[in-house]
Amino acid sequence: EAGVVQSPRYKIIEKKQPVAFWCNPISGHNTLYWYLQNLGQGPELLIRYENEEAVDDSQLPKDRFSAERLKGVDSTLKIQPAELGDSAVYLCASSPVAANTGELFFGEGSRLTVL
Amino acid sequence: GQQLNQSPQSMFIQEGEDVSMNCTSSSIFNTWLWYKQDPGEGPVLLIALYKAGELTSNGRLTAQFGITRKDSFLNISASIPSDVGIYFCAGRLIQGAQKLVFGQGTRLTINP
Repeated sequence: EAGVVQSPRYKIIEKKQPVAFWCNPISGHNTLYWYLQNLGQGPELLIRYENEEAVDDSQLPKDRFSAERLKGVDSTLKIQPAELGDSAVYLCASSPVAANTGELFFGEGSRLTVL
Repeated sequence: GQQLNQSPQSMFIQEGEDVSMNCTSSSIFNTWLWYKQDPGEGPVLLIALYKAGELTSNGRLTAQFGITRKDSFLNISASIPSDVGIYFCAGRLIQGAQKLVFGQGTRLTINP
């Protein structure tokens, strides 16, 4: 079974440029998460989807960050414009049910460097 | 927001030694989980705990859900080189949204 797929693995951009990350969850997983992981820290939730609905986006900085999951399968996270402090790893995860057992399956992450 | 205090932040041990790390919080959790993250990879679930007092093993790993619901520990027995990595505790809150909160991680380094 294929795992959570993220792209790109690495992205280097200059500040004020836009950037987008893509995630394809495990087939059949209806819950999808985007997490931010700063260097030396644990993941922090940005947004959680149940199917195509964003059910928790309270931690998403909405002035520059946006996300979508139009058909309830794959998802895109966008930053526009990027700032130096956005340099981090962006992790996507999925889980099979919305009942929230806490068992998340993570992708390898997209490492962003903003110069 | 809710915080999990994970300790120690890092450990340097000899191969074959046992390892113990823990996680505490001022908040009550209904689920505790332990993940391991290798360099350049996403975290992978090791053990999940769902009941206060629960003690669960997965091979050389043993984890417990504290009676107060505010803490958990993870033990690794007879460490081997592939145990190197960063271990994260994560808790799921009873109050509020069903949000998974992660600790800051424990970085384990093993000297052969």
